[in-house]
Parts: sequence; structure tokens; C-alpha cells
Amino acid sequence: DAMVIQNPRYQVTQFGKPVTLSCSQTLNHNVMYWYQQKSSQAPKLLFHYYDKDFNNEADTPDNFQSRRPNTSFCFLDIRSPGLGDAAMYLCATSGRTSGTDSYEQYFGPGTRLTVT
Amino acid sequence: DAKTTQPTSMDCAEGRAANLPCNHSTISGNEYVYWYRQIHSQGPQYIIHGLKNNETNEMASLIITEDRKSSTLILPHATLRDTAVYYCIVRPNYGGATNKLIFGTGTLLAVQP
Repeated sequence: DAMVIQNPRYQVTQFGKPVTLSCSQTLNHNVMYWYQQKSSQAPKLLFHYYDKDFNNEADTPDNFQSRRPNTSFCFLDIRSPGLGDAAMYLCATSGRTSGTDSYEQYFGPGTRLTVT
Repeated sequence: DAKTTQPTSMDCAEGRAANLPCNHSTISGNEYVYWYRQIHSQGPQYIIHGLKNNETNEMASLIITEDRKSSTLILPHATLRDTAVYYCIVRPNYGGATNKLIFGTGTLLAVQP
């Protein structure tokens, strides 16, 4: 049962052409995250939403924006992709697991972005 | 910056226990130790977490030293499907804006047939 869904799995865009990546969840979690993972590197947090409150990481470039129209969906917008933005983009959700003290994050499979 | 130190890579024979160490000497009293793994071309997957007691679930065991400055993730019978990068992360365990994961470099575990 897919819990965090990312579409598309592979996205090719041209240099400077805006692109949007999407993420949806069936977990009803109140927190959603976007990570960027470049080749052979660890995931790096870009920003997250706690309910409708947007929290940007200090070093996230302005070129990256996000929208969360409702609990289930979250979008990552790259306004003018550069070659250096080619990466895997991971969406994750977090909420308290019933009956436990755990707030683990659930990740989607990622969208691999290629910039030509 | 990540607060943990892990070996870059490890090998393990299939069917044997894999013991992955993690050093977190600056861990605070309210921080938990979380382990995630990332199989190639997939998103990270939660494995286990703990505060100070040893923990076990269907995937693994987590052994935390008494001073909490280090821990070991144990996969009791490693299979080829356990080949992945394993991340040890320390963070407070509550929901909200500070419930962030700061990934370090992790350990690439290669399970050999």
C-alpha cells in the first residue's frame, strides 16, 4: 500500500524552464518535508510544512518554492532549474505513530530530476 | 552538521549478523538515536529508534551504551536485500517544526553472498 507517492518518478526539464514535482500521502500526517539528494550524497532538507506553516531551511536557494494546498498534497517548484539542481528529490511525512512514542518519517520513492 | 560518526563502509557475509557502529558523543539528554537505511534508488526507510534502553523490532536491534555516546545497529541475519546505506541520526523525539532529520554520510553495508 503506497503511503507517500511521488510523481513523476523521473523528470527531465530544460535549463531555466520551471518544473513542479508532486507528492501525496495517505497517512494523514501533519508534517511534510522535501529533501534534495545529489549523487553519492546524503539527503539534505530543503523545507517542511507543519500543517500550513512553511519552514524554510536557511541555506535553501530562493529558486526553490513549495506549496501545500491541503493535508494530502505538497508540491516542489523549481523556478529556474540550473544544471546543479539535477538530483533526486525526496518527499517525506511525519506524524505520531499511534500507540508509540515514535515520530519516524516516511519517505516516498523520490523523483529523479535531470536538467538538460 | 550531523552529530554522528559512522564508518564509510562495511562488508558482511550473507546469513551472518551485521553490526553497524555509530558514535554520537555530543548527544543531549532529550535526543533519541534513530536509524534509517536507503537501498539504492529508493527513499530512506525507518528501521528503529531508542533513547537509552536497548530496542528490538522485526527488522533489527539497537544497542545503546550506558553513557549514550555510541550505539550499534544489529541486523541478526543479513541478506542480500539488506545491502544499503545505513544512517544513524540523533534528534529530539517530538512532532513539530524541530522534528528534522540531519543525515550524515552513513555506512554503506555490502552483504556478500
